[in-house]
Amino acid sequence: RKEVEQDPGPFNVPEGATVAFNCTYSNSASQSFFWYRQDCRKEPKLLMSVYSSGNEDGRFTAQLNRASQYISLLIRDSKLSDSATYLCVVNNYNQGGKLIFGQGTELSVKP
Amino acid sequence: EAGVTQFPSHSVIEKGQTVTLRCDPISGHDNLYWYRRVMGKEIKFLLHFVKESKQDESGMPNNRFLAERTGGTYSTLKVQPAELEDSGVYFCASSQGGSLYNEQFFGPGTRLTVL
Repeated sequence: RKEVEQDPGPFNVPEGATVAFNCTYSNSASQSFFWYRQDCRKEPKLLMSVYSSGNEDGRFTAQLNRASQYISLLIRDSKLSDSATYLCVVNNYNQGGKLIFGQGTELSVKP
Repeated sequence: EAGVTQFPSHSVIEKGQTVTLRCDPISGHDNLYWYRRVMGKEIKFLLHFVKESKQDESGMPNNRFLAERTGGTYSTLKVQPAELEDSGVYFCASSQGGSLYNEQFFGPGTRLTVL
C-alpha cells in the first residue's frame, strides 16, 4: 500500500466549478502536510501547508483530519490557470525533511 | 534571487554509460535533497544533505548511484552504469532549515532517458 494515496483523476471541470481533491496517508507519525502544484513538465511548487484547524488562501481551502488520516483541498470558482497536477505531500516525525508524495491528481479546467 | 538550478535539463544515454547530474541550491540553503520520478509513479525521495554531510540516504536505489556535495554548495548525482529503469525526472530541492516545517524549493529537474 502506498504511504500517500490520492484520487486517481483526471478531473475535467468547467470554469467556475468547485473541485475537491482527497488524500489519505497511512503513517500515523506523519507530522506535516502540504499540497503542491505541478504544471506540465515543471517542478512541484508549494501551494499551501495544511493545518489541523484547516486553512484558507483565497479560493483554496485545505483541511486535515488526523483521526481519519485524511487531507483535502477544495478549489472554488476554478480558473483555466488552475489546470495542473495537485500533489498531496506529507512529512513524518523523525524523518527530517524527507517529503513523501502522493501520485498526484490531474486537473483540467475547460472554458 | 535565483532559484534552484539543475543541469542538464535533458540527458539521453545508452545503457551502461555514466551520467552526472548537477544541482545548485538557493544560496544560503544548507539543506539539499534529491528526488526522482519514474514514469507512472510518484516522486520519491533519494537523499538529503546538510551542508556537505549525508543526513539521510535511505532512498538511494542501489550502489550505482553516488551523490556528493563537496564544500556544501552544489551537489552532483552520478549514475554508473546506467540501467533502463533509471529513466525518469530527477529533481533537486533545497531549504534553509531541515525540519518538518521548512519549505523545500524545487529545481526544474533533469529528464534522464536511458536507451
